[in-house]
Amino acid sequence: DTGVSQDPRHKITKRGQNVTFRCDPISEHNRLYWYRQTLGQGPEFLTYFQNEAQLEKSRLLSDRFSAERPKGSFSTLEIQRTEQGDSAMYLCASSPGLAGAAGELFFGEGSRLTVL
Amino acid sequence: AQTVTQSQPEMSVQEAETVTLSCTYDTSENNYYLFWYKQPPSRQMILVIRQEAYKQQNATENRFSVNFQKAAKSFSLKISDSQLGDTAMYFCAFMDYGQNFVFGPGTRLSVLP
Repeated sequence: DTGVSQDPRHKITKRGQNVTFRCDPISEHNRLYWYRQTLGQGPEFLTYFQNEAQLEKSRLLSDRFSAERPKGSFSTLEIQRTEQGDSAMYLCASSPGLAGAAGELFFGEGSRLTVL
Repeated sequence: AQTVTQSQPEMSVQEAETVTLSCTYDTSENNYYLFWYKQPPSRQMILVIRQEAYKQQNATENRFSVNFQKAAKSFSLKISDSQLGDTAMYFCAFMDYGQNFVFGPGTRLSVLP
């Protein structure tokens, strides 16, 4: 297992278009997180999954954003009707999700979105 | 809601010297974890060091150590014998027992030759 992988690494789109990002976590990790990171800032939480269940969504996640994790494996993050303010790095991270334990986050390299 | 503050947007240090990055946080929880993550330029974020709040002893990982002051809600990172490869963004992060993570805004560290 080579770690968390994200695809595509970079997406340039025009305002109003839909985009989808994919994340493949480390195979035995049951927790999967999506974060958004703008230049010079820390990651902002968007949503996370415990297996296939989406357990929490940030208020940052407008109804144009949707995330899925079918079968508890890979996850997709879709942004509909993109706006220039959506331009950011979208980070995926996975964790073993051990309750009460220090579940380290393993990050992917991110998917950079540029909305023109 | 928990918040994490890093008051130093940028810092620099000479190679082989020691540098300390500051982090404060706010929470009403008694049990939690604190982390320092490192994000090198154009590379993925990786864990540097973690601290469990119920442990009084400060965590140490080779050249990296923390000064955890629970009452003051302070969690600083000390890097000894700085190396060029330490150049990166450093993020302080808080995690509660529900594994909800909150990250600080980061400190950009430059190690100068």
